[in-house]
Amino acid sequence: GAGVSQSPSNKVTEKGKDVELRCDPISGHTALYWYRQSLGQGLEFLIYFQGNSAPDKSGLPSDRFSAERTGGSVSTLTIQRTQQEDSAVYLCASSRRLAGGPLEETQYFGPGTRLLVL
Amino acid sequence: AQTVTQSQPEMSVQEAETVTLSCTYDTSESNYYLFWYKQPPSRQMILVIRQEAYKQQNATENRFSVNFQKAAKSFSLKISDSQLGDTAMYFCAFNPYNNNDMRFGAGTRLTVKP
Repeated sequence: GAGVSQSPSNKVTEKGKDVELRCDPISGHTALYWYRQSLGQGLEFLIYFQGNSAPDKSGLPSDRFSAERTGGSVSTLTIQRTQQEDSAVYLCASSRRLAGGPLEETQYFGPGTRLLVL
Repeated sequence: AQTVTQSQPEMSVQEAETVTLSCTYDTSESNYYLFWYKQPPSRQMILVIRQEAYKQQNATENRFSVNFQKAAKSFSLKISDSQLGDTAMYFCAFNPYNNNDMRFGAGTRLTVKP
């Protein structure tokens, strides 16, 4: 595709419900990142996928957060038992960065999913 | 731990004039990359410019240029001939070599006035 796409663009949910956010990276990009952007804040790294390798989950804030990437392409970020503090914009990015390689390649961002937990 | 500081929450500039956004960072790493991203109201993060720390020459992309002072750990962005379309949030970001954890500053909201 022409760019990174994310769905839904907006999601409103009730506290305690589970949500799934989807990311379609640019075709051919092996690296995929998830970030969280809270209101008025910069971006917070959540998780990084590289090809079929085990992901770097060091940024996930709690065990309620999980993500998977099927077939090295589409990724889903799942938040279980959502809390009001989970309200934020969730951004996905992809790049051509190779496994074990330096961050030479630019990250291309999707438009994000705005999550509101009531 | 790496931190990125943008000390100007908001700035404004007249169309066609020049504005400089500041960014400082704190790290013990010697090899890293620095980025400026633009986020318009559409939320799409767009790379404006990037700088490799081992390069002494300041990066330039058309109307955008940086002043990279490695010793001072400073990475400012200069926008020349400002245009209305430059209105956006601007984020400074830092990423160590071979590390997944890109750190972003809190952002500077830039408004270009006609």
